[in-house]
Amino acid sequence: GAGVSQSPSNKVTEKGKDVELRCDPISGHTALYWYRQRLGQGLEFLIYFQGNSAPDKSGLPSDRFSAERTGESVSTLTIQRTQQEDSAVYLCASSLRSLSYEQYFGPGTRLTVT
Amino acid sequence: EDKVVQSPLSLVVHEGDTVTLNCSYEVTNFRSLLWYKQEKKAPTFLFMLTSSGIEKKSGRLSSILDKKELFSILNITATQTGDSAVYLCAGNYGGATNKLIFGTGTLLAIQP
Repeated sequence: GAGVSQSPSNKVTEKGKDVELRCDPISGHTALYWYRQRLGQGLEFLIYFQGNSAPDKSGLPSDRFSAERTGESVSTLTIQRTQQEDSAVYLCASSLRSLSYEQYFGPGTRLTVT
Repeated sequence: EDKVVQSPLSLVVHEGDTVTLNCSYEVTNFRSLLWYKQEKKAPTFLFMLTSSGIEKKSGRLSSILDKKELFSILNITATQTGDSAVYLCAGNYGGATNKLIFGTGTLLAIQP
């Protein structure tokens, strides 16, 4: 079946603009995660959804970052007033349920803020 | 503070060699340890380890977890150029979330 998909694959934006990144999880996966990977670094957790609620938002770096999820489907990560330090690859993952299940990753969105 | 440390940071070997990648972790309410292979952007799932001392195998790759010493190793035998990638280790943080705490990865390069 289809894996996790993300769009756009690349996004270049000017500093100060808002961006929206989209994630379509694997069908039937109730848990969804967003991570960020800066150049040369490991993945950093941003937010976790179980269904359409977000029990853990502890990784969101500032109030410019927000995310929502519609039911057990699509999620959107929004970054307002982008800054150059927001440049990174944003990766989405989904898992069958939240506990003790492996996470499968999408191809990511490479965000460049100029 | 939760952390996952991988070593070595990078490794260059010749095709056919065997490599061992290391991962140590300190993760609150540790639940499991996962290994991923990252070639371009999307990390590809390799293994999830929950029990100590039980080896998981997939072809030329194998991995084992030691929950007493808080580490895991990933072995690759008879390496091929297609094994060249960044290998990521992640600890699964317990509690109400299932977030992964990642190390910075080991960059493995296989020379023909």
